[in-house]
Amino acid sequence: GAGVSQSPRYKVAKRGQDVALRCDPISGHVSLFWYQQALGQGPEFLTYFQNEAQLDKSGLPSDRFFAERPEGSVSTLKIQRTQQEDSAVYLCASSLGRSGRSEQYFGPGTRLTVT
Amino acid sequence: ILNVEQSPQSLHVQEGDSTNFTCSFPSSNFYALHWYRWETAKSPEALFVMTLNGDEKKKGRISATLNTKEGYSYLYIKGSQPEDSATYLCAFADNNDMRFGAGTRLTVKP
Repeated sequence: GAGVSQSPRYKVAKRGQDVALRCDPISGHVSLFWYQQALGQGPEFLTYFQNEAQLDKSGLPSDRFFAERPEGSVSTLKIQRTQQEDSAVYLCASSLGRSGRSEQYFGPGTRLTVT
Repeated sequence: ILNVEQSPQSLHVQEGDSTNFTCSFPSSNFYALHWYRWETAKSPEALFVMTLNGDEKKKGRISATLNTKEGYSYLYIKGSQPEDSATYLCAFADNNDMRFGAGTRLTVKP
């Protein structure tokens, strides 16, 4: 289909490993968001891209988290030296518009488990 | 820090009941208020995006109102059906980012 896709769907990492999570937004969508969702909580904002520009990364919990969208389409969220507290579902969403007034289309998420 | 609060956390109703829940958000730097419906094992789906004080939006049996001056939005479901069972998320948008509430988990019993 033409929705937002994320890969992998599930990832198990040993503590200290680096992981890379991929998001393929809907073609033509300008805005891309990453969220972290802990069990029983709503999605927590991590970072926001408008095309290739990362306009807000205030939600990234530490400098071990890094996100990029080099060509303004596919985005990668990288977590270095994973810790157990990084275990969560990582959601990606894209929207057509350049602002928070456009509805977001979410991917299925990547469930990361750090052991 | 922006706080988006949703209440109640969970709600159990009988089929046919009407129900409503609340999202409260900061009344400053308001840009938009989103409602999403999130069914288990699926991705969140947009219900409404509301931008103007006094906005009312409706989609089938679901409607929402917005008060930006006092910082709250209500979501109403008329005649709940079992397929309405889901978590309903609201999100507050300012210019650059979105802040989600923890959601209201609705269970509709047949």
